[in-house]
Formats: sequence, structure tokens, C-alpha cells
Amino acid sequence: GDSVTQMEGPVTLSEEAFLTINCTYTATGYPSLFWYVQYPGEGLQLLLKATKADDKGSNKGFEATYRKETTSFHLEKGSVQVSDSAVYFCALSLNDYKLSFGAGTTVTVRA
Amino acid sequence: DAGVIQSPRHEVTEMGQEVTLRCKPISGHNSLFWYRQTMMRGLELLIYFNNNVPIDDSGMPEDRFSAKMPNASFSTLKIQPSEPRDSAVYFCASSSEGTVHEKLFFGSGTQLSVL
Repeated sequence: GDSVTQMEGPVTLSEEAFLTINCTYTATGYPSLFWYVQYPGEGLQLLLKATKADDKGSNKGFEATYRKETTSFHLEKGSVQVSDSAVYFCALSLNDYKLSFGAGTTVTVRA
Repeated sequence: DAGVIQSPRHEVTEMGQEVTLRCKPISGHNSLFWYRQTMMRGLELLIYFNNNVPIDDSGMPEDRFSAKMPNASFSTLKIQPSEPRDSAVYFCASSSEGTVHEKLFFGSGTQLSVL
């Protein structure tokens, strides 16, 4: 079935480093793609989304582009901060209300 | 707004006991979701309510699990009897439209440990 695979963590970076988290998807149709973020002790929050090929989602300095040719939706940020330490989840829409989440990637940013 | 409120934050119980998890969605949201998060299976949708009516409960693991939404401001997830393999973080989420294209607002979760 439709699913996403994201790179395993954990990822540890220094402040101001470049962050990339890889996410690839398998789908029979044209799902919407999402990145959710979970800060320590909190629930997930929508970080960004893209609904069709070549769309770019962006928020808080993070970006991801929906690439149909490579079935990818990689998350990037040019200069991370300590406050970006969190677990990041890639997800795709299975239908109007159901999401399939990746396993999550733990990111730790050190000062 | 206080956001989605879940209680308790932590629950430790013994195998065979009944467990009830509670959720108050954001006021005005008409869609509510219960998710379970485990290391092995990641995040799974257990049940989805729209306007207090269960729309999709295909993710509920077995008959030991039940969920109710008696009104727009309250939902419960009950496990009876509980088993050690039910240990997980259970999240409640709500949204204003019920589609994935609207933001899902998650609560902080209930960490359940069944001994």
C-alpha cells in the first residue's frame, strides 16, 4: 500500500549547520505530502505540506519540494538552531482524513 | 485556546485492568482522531470521528479497545482488559474539517504502561 520511508536517525548537528532529512514515498495515485514535527513532550505539529508535484512547502526556514520523478519529499533547512531539536515525521495522505506516517527522524542540534 | 487536552499524561496499570484515556478537542473542531505511537509500528490511526460519529474504526486493534464521543467536547478511549503490548503513547488530535489538508492539532499524549 501507499507509504513513506524516511531516513533513520538519530541525526546530530551543530548550530547553523545544514539539515536534510530524506523521505521517499510509494503511491498508486497522487497523494499530498506532509512534514510533521514533534518537540519533546508535545504532540505533533504540521510543519509544511505540498499537494501536487513540484509544489514547495515552506515554514520556519524549512522547505520540501514534491518531486514526482524521484518520488521524494526531502526536508531541508539551511541553518538549524538548538530549538529545531525534535522528531520529524514525513507523511502522505491515504484518503481525505487518513495519513501514513514515516518512522520519524530524531534531530539533535548542539550549541 | 488551550489546544487539545488529554488526560492523564501518564498511566501505569497492571495487566487485566481497565484503562480510560480522555480527550477534549479544540472548541469548534468537528473532527477527532485517536492515534497510537509505538517504536515498532510508529504512528497508527485508531479511530476517526466526525461530528461525534465514528467514521473509521478500522485501526482499532481488537475488541478490547473501544472509543466514544458523547458530545463535541469530549472523547474517551477505553482498553479492557489491558495487556502489556498495549503500552504506547496515545494521541488525540482534532481538526476543523476532518481532511488531512487542514491542520491536525495534536494533544500532548498519554504515556500508557501496562505491567
